[in-house]
Amino acid sequence: KQEVTQIPAALSVPEGENLVLNCSFTDSAIYNLQWFRQDPGKGLTSLLLIQSSQREQTSGRLNASLDKSSGRSTLYIAASQPGDSATYLCAVYRAGTALIFGKGTTLSVSS
Amino acid sequence: DVKVTQSSRYLVKRTGEKVFLECVQDMDHENMFWYRQDPGLGLRLIYFSYDVKMKEKGDIPEGYSVSREKKERFSLILESASTNQTSMYLCASSSGQGSFGNTIYFGEGSWLTVV
Repeated sequence: KQEVTQIPAALSVPEGENLVLNCSFTDSAIYNLQWFRQDPGKGLTSLLLIQSSQREQTSGRLNASLDKSSGRSTLYIAASQPGDSATYLCAVYRAGTALIFGKGTTLSVSS
Repeated sequence: DVKVTQSSRYLVKRTGEKVFLECVQDMDHENMFWYRQDPGLGLRLIYFSYDVKMKEKGDIPEGYSVSREKKERFSLILESASTNQTSMYLCASSSGQGSFGNTIYFGEGSWLTVV
């Protein structure tokens, strides 16, 4: 059974710092992986989708990488800002199932 | 922009009541989903649908049912609400009938409290 783990569960950094969020999954037979952002009390917003054939995707200050063989993905946030404070979730997709989510990393960026 | 609308943001219901949570999407997506999100447990899939009148059980379907009479609308029904169903419910949709790997769009969530 596919399991998705995100460590750490919470992270606090000062403004301006570059940071990395981690996501690991147990079954490497995935088709793609998505990263989401969730603000308190709100729904999820898709940030990046990486196909299994890709190694990374970039959007603005965000860069997501995928290493299928090792079952790992990272979300790199450059020059963090207080507005980046949110919970970040990753989810993996394999054929025949809906997305399987990790429990998220709650990021706090202080000014 | 894709919009997934959950009509009720906050609800308080009594134990034993029948509860309807409504979700509408405006992008002609084939796939729709209902998740619940609880602290420490993350998102758990309740039901999903890949076509009108089609439904599939997710990981935790017990105590719930769904209805998809029109493509744009996916309803979650709590047949007899219980306190352990107090949670945040999230509706989502994606394109690609039966293929669930495309970008998924979520609604704002419905906070349900059962007393």
